[in-house]
Amino acid sequence: DAGVTQSPTHLIKTRGQQVTLRCSPKSGHDTVSWYQQALGQGPQFIFQYYEEEERQRGNFPDRFSGHQFPNYSSELNVNALLLGDSALYLCASSLGVGNTGELFFGEGSRLTVL
Amino acid sequence: GENVEQHPSTLSVQEGDSAVIKCTYSDSASNYFPWYKQELGKRPQLIIDIRSNVGEKKDQRIAVTLNKTAKHFSLHITETQPEDSAVYFCATMYNFNKFYFGSGTKLNVKP
Repeated sequence: DAGVTQSPTHLIKTRGQQVTLRCSPKSGHDTVSWYQQALGQGPQFIFQYYEEEERQRGNFPDRFSGHQFPNYSSELNVNALLLGDSALYLCASSLGVGNTGELFFGEGSRLTVL
Repeated sequence: GENVEQHPSTLSVQEGDSAVIKCTYSDSASNYFPWYKQELGKRPQLIIDIRSNVGEKKDQRIAVTLNKTAKHFSLHITETQPEDSAVYFCATMYNFNKFYFGSGTKLNVKP
């Protein structure tokens, strides 16, 4: 049973560029959430997708956007990259938005902005 | 929104000793409180969780206690082992699978 998979694992961008990160949820899960984890900090909630719609959003600017596909996989897009966007981006999947269930995390995509 | 504070930020114990990590939260609507362990370069993994209608839960050497009135919960690890060394995060669930995480505790278990 495949867990949550993310790609790419590492990437380097320069300020002003755009990046797309990808996530496939754990088999059987239909909800994908994205988190940003800065070095030495806990994960910060970016947004959550369910039924191909953004259901909840954290305190992140509109430069952060996403998408969920019919197969439940998801993308995170960040435009106009800033140095402060350098972080580990974690995708987490769960079952249903109303289910107080466990989050399963992927290994993350480490983004470095130069 | 929710505010989760976690203490201490670092904790060093001798193998076999106990370790306690504490978290406080602000929103009384939070109703699910998981703890995650993150080893260096790895994904966070759930180690134990507790729901708001329970005061304590234990799983072998790990236990979690919850005081909803005071809005705090704690992780207790007994008989620590070197493989327990990692960063531990507490979290609260607010508003349907929207999680708020503490800033983490780096636990070092010395052999």
